[in-house]
Amino acid sequence: NAGVTQTPKFQVLKTGQSMTLQCAQDMNHNSMYWYRQDPGMGLRLIYYSASEGTTDKGEVPNGYNVSRLNKREFSLRLESAAPSQTSVYFCASSVRGRGYTFGSGTRLTVV
Amino acid sequence: AQSVTQPDIHITVSEGASLELRCNYSYGATPYLFWYVQSPGQGLQLLLKYFSGDTLVQGIKGFEAEFKRSQSSFNLRKPSVHWSDAAEYFCAVVSRGFGNEKLTFGTGTRLTIIP
Repeated sequence: NAGVTQTPKFQVLKTGQSMTLQCAQDMNHNSMYWYRQDPGMGLRLIYYSASEGTTDKGEVPNGYNVSRLNKREFSLRLESAAPSQTSVYFCASSVRGRGYTFGSGTRLTVV
Repeated sequence: AQSVTQPDIHITVSEGASLELRCNYSYGATPYLFWYVQSPGQGLQLLLKYFSGDTLVQGIKGFEAEFKRSQSSFNLRKPSVHWSDAAEYFCAVVSRGFGNEKLTFGTGTRLTIIP
């Protein structure tokens, strides 16, 4: 089925560990996004990529890095995880701001 | 910069009653506007969206929203709620750009339905 696929769905990390969240879309969308969702704060943009080869910081980029590997894939890396990064992470893609498709989310706990 | 305000953190309504969830946005021009719903532990589902044209937008599950430029609002309504409507609702706005659109969310309104 067409859409946005995120892996993994769940992850527990120890403080200081690193990991990469993977995201892939098969809709030929140019733009891709990473959000985090925390209770009472809605979804906040971490990084986005308007097109292949470009990435830009969003509202809460500290502690994260991203890679737009190709048009389909946009990964989010935590180099040294902290408890404050415990959250639910959503990847999304869009076509010219008119239609956004979200992945099912990754629930990350940092202990 | 664009922003979205959802002034109601939590709303409780009786099943069968009408519902209105408030959303105000800040943006200089006419934005793209969205309402999403999220059930506990689930992802986001698009209820409706507004780009241009008729300011009253119909969505799924019997929801509608009205864009009011003069009030910078895009409130979500439903004439009669069902227990299955209990969820969290997010309003979102996109600034129109050229390959640089970013979706900005409000903080959400949690809806509780009582019998």
